[in-house]
Formats: sequence, C-alpha cells, structure tokens
Amino acid sequence: GESVGLHLPTLSVQEGDNSIINCAYSNSASDYFIWYKQESGKGPQFIIDIRSNMDKRQGQRVTVLLNKTVKHLSLQIAATQPGDSAVYFCADEGPGGKLIFGQGTELSVKP
Amino acid sequence: DAGITQSPRHKVTETGTPVTLRCHQTENHRYMYWYRQDPGHGLRLIHYSYGVKDTDKGEVSDGYSVSRSKTEDFLLTLESATSSQTSVYFCATRAEYNEQFFGPGTRLTVL
Repeated sequence: GESVGLHLPTLSVQEGDNSIINCAYSNSASDYFIWYKQESGKGPQFIIDIRSNMDKRQGQRVTVLLNKTVKHLSLQIAATQPGDSAVYFCADEGPGGKLIFGQGTELSVKP
Repeated sequence: DAGITQSPRHKVTETGTPVTLRCHQTENHRYMYWYRQDPGHGLRLIHYSYGVKDTDKGEVSDGYSVSRSKTEDFLLTLESATSSQTSVYFCATRAEYNEQFFGPGTRLTVL
C-alpha cells in the first residue's frame, strides 16, 4: 500500500547550522507533497509544498527538494534556530485532499 | 490556524460510552478532515467531508462516524468508545486547491 516514511526519527543540530530532514514515499503516482511542522501541544502547521513537476522549491529559510527517480524528498532549513525545534512531517496528498503522513522527525536545536 | 476550534480540548471517558468531538471553522472551507495521532503512527485520516452532508471514510474509520449538517461544523462520534481510541484527534480544513489547516487538537482518554 501507499506509505510515506522518514529515514530518521530524531535529528539534533547546533543553532546556526543547516538542517536536512529526509522523507521517502512509495507511490510513484504521487504528485503533491507537503511538509508540516508540529510544535508540542499544537496542530501541524504548513511549511512548504511541492508538486511533482518541480525538483526544488524555496521558501523563507526552507527548501524542499524532490527526487522522483528514487521517490525521495527532503526539507532543508537554513541557519536553524531554537524556534525550529519541533516534529516535522512529510505528507503525500491523494484525491480529495486526503493526506498520508510519515511518522515524523523530531528536530532538536542546541544553543 | 484558519479559524478552527475543536471542543472539547481534553476528555476522559469510560469504555463503552458515546463520545462526540466537534470541529468548528469560520473560513467557509469546503473540505474538512478528522485525523488521529498516535505515537509511532503520525497522523492518520479517519473521515473526511467534501461538502455539507457529503462524507467519506479514511484510512482508520472503523468505530467512528461523522456528520456535517453545516459548512462550519464537522462532528466525529465514537458510538462506543474503546481504549484503542485513546488518542489525540485533529480536525483540518481546506479550501479548493489550498493547503490544509489544522486545529489545536482534542486529547481523548478512554479508560
């Protein structure tokens, strides 16, 4: 069945360093991917998205890369800050907007 | 947060009792979703709605029912709560072709 998974459950980085969070997906027909950030006790918050006709998309301090050949996407956070500490989820959107989430990566930023 | 509220925010109930969770939105979004979040599983879709009185099942719909009699409200009902339904429940909404916005969540404990 379709699944979206993350390579690492936890990631610890030094403040100011760049962070890279990876995600693999299994459905080669997937054409829309989203990254969400979830802080403790809150609902997921949209960060950035990318469609399958793109390889890269940039936002403010964040970049998403999509490699359709190996069904892999990554979220890069530049100059990671303490406020970036959270759990990050990738999700694959199917018909009707139904999201399939990965298990999440917990990002911890050390001051 | 797209004006999404969930009630109650916390609930403790006993096995076998009925429970209804409410999601209310103020943005007039067409689509609404109910997810549950458990450790090790990320978020999983329970049910979703693509309009008033139009609903469909998600990945983990057994034991749950939903109703949407008004655009702004989407109710999730556990007819007879079980301990396996202890979870954090998130509601989300989406306008046409836009990202999903999530509510703050409801923590449900079934004893």
